[in-house]
Amino acid sequence: QKEVEQDPGPLSVPEGAIVSLNCTYSNSAFQYFMWYRQYSRKGPELLMYTYSSGNKEDGRFTAQVDKSSKYISLFIRDSQPSDSATYLCAMSALKGQAGTALIFGKGTTLSVSS
Amino acid sequence: DAGITQSPRHKVTETGTPVTLRCHQTENHRYMYWYRQDPGHGLRLIHYSYGVKDTDKGEVSDGYSVSRSKTEDFLLTLESATSSQTSVYFCAITAKGPPSYNEQFFGPGTRLTVL
Repeated sequence: QKEVEQDPGPLSVPEGAIVSLNCTYSNSAFQYFMWYRQYSRKGPELLMYTYSSGNKEDGRFTAQVDKSSKYISLFIRDSQPSDSATYLCAMSALKGQAGTALIFGKGTTLSVSS
Repeated sequence: DAGITQSPRHKVTETGTPVTLRCHQTENHRYMYWYRQDPGHGLRLIHYSYGVKDTDKGEVSDGYSVSRSKTEDFLLTLESATSSQTSVYFCAITAKGPPSYNEQFFGPGTRLTVL
């Protein structure tokens, strides 16, 4: 079983739809959860960062973490064509003072049509 | 872009040749990382640095070495490139100290092709 599982899609939705993107994980030591957005031929861009369980909202984006189920979600409200990108989940367990490796899902490709 | 530049942005090389990729940051961040991104594998950590001359291995470090002689530069070297090292390489930095090591910001990437 991979440490982080993410459905690659592709996911196609009409403009204005609510999008739900999800990842599951197996390592109960993960405490930090992130969502990145990556446009084609660009570097990943940090969208959301959450610690432990709960919800975090930023504009049209909401991140949810359910540690009991080892499941995280990213919701996009009122989706726009500019949201078309690959979305990567990432997570980590804090690792002393030497920084920490992020473990990434493989990414879900989202296409929002106008 | 968190003040990160990578060079070169594109490179084509032949099997067996040495290759060095450069990551340069302008904001004096302590932590720097090298990842590779491949279809079917996602992003995987190669090496990271937690200060000048302080480096450690990541998940896929075989065939790679790194050096950091100045805070602003983190070099990734493929001593003898192989076709399996064809990939997109991303440098990342952590902008904050503890406990926010995990907020990593990525550079624009280097697309490397080994023939």
